[in-house]
Amino acid sequence: GQNIDQPTEMTATEGAIVQINCTYQTSGFNGLFWYQQHAGEAPTFLSYNVLDGLEEKGRFSSFLSRSKGYSYLLLKELQMKDSASYLCASWGGGSYIPTFGRGTSLIVHP
Amino acid sequence: DSGVTQTPKHLITATGQRVTLRCSPRSGDLSVYWYQQSLDQGLQFLIQYYNGEERAKGNILERFSAQQFPDLHSELNLSSLELGDSALYFCASSVRGSPADTQYFGPGTRLTVL
Repeated sequence: GQNIDQPTEMTATEGAIVQINCTYQTSGFNGLFWYQQHAGEAPTFLSYNVLDGLEEKGRFSSFLSRSKGYSYLLLKELQMKDSASYLCASWGGGSYIPTFGRGTSLIVHP
Repeated sequence: DSGVTQTPKHLITATGQRVTLRCSPRSGDLSVYWYQQSLDQGLQFLIQYYNGEERAKGNILERFSAQQFPDLHSELNLSSLELGDSALYFCASSVRGSPADTQYFGPGTRLTVL
């Protein structure tokens, strides 16, 4: 089976840096995704990690440690528009079934 | 705009009824996924199709069924609707449906069962 844990809610200040953690228990791990979802809208892809290490993409970076079953999404230079839910999702081995976490609601305030 | 289209945007119906949700994938994508998102359950994977064939099944109820047609559009049929089926239903598509492929989500269909 697969299980994903991430904090329910986080708050941060505009211009700051925030790190959203995600832990997973997945048999035969096949990759981990991060998605951003604004209220009432569709999730949009942010990053994909399948190997250990940090992937940087502009203001967003994602880190993976497969041995620890751990990932984080780092958001720099926060903007008000970054207020959204951030979904961590993993794929289990031997299947094409993605499992999503409940999402972390990030609130950016001035 | 992800390139994935879903119709209708909103659907209001009564318990016991049957509805059909439609999804057209991005041009060139062969795989379609269906998800249900409710406030208490988060995003739940229902079913995946690849080039017309069912590839993976998640927590899809027996009252729900889906198919992918030769032109690659997909339909999700929900029958004997219950109040608890009220949710946002998303369709997503990807090129080959493998874990490494990015999924692009449609805008969703908001289903309200009264």
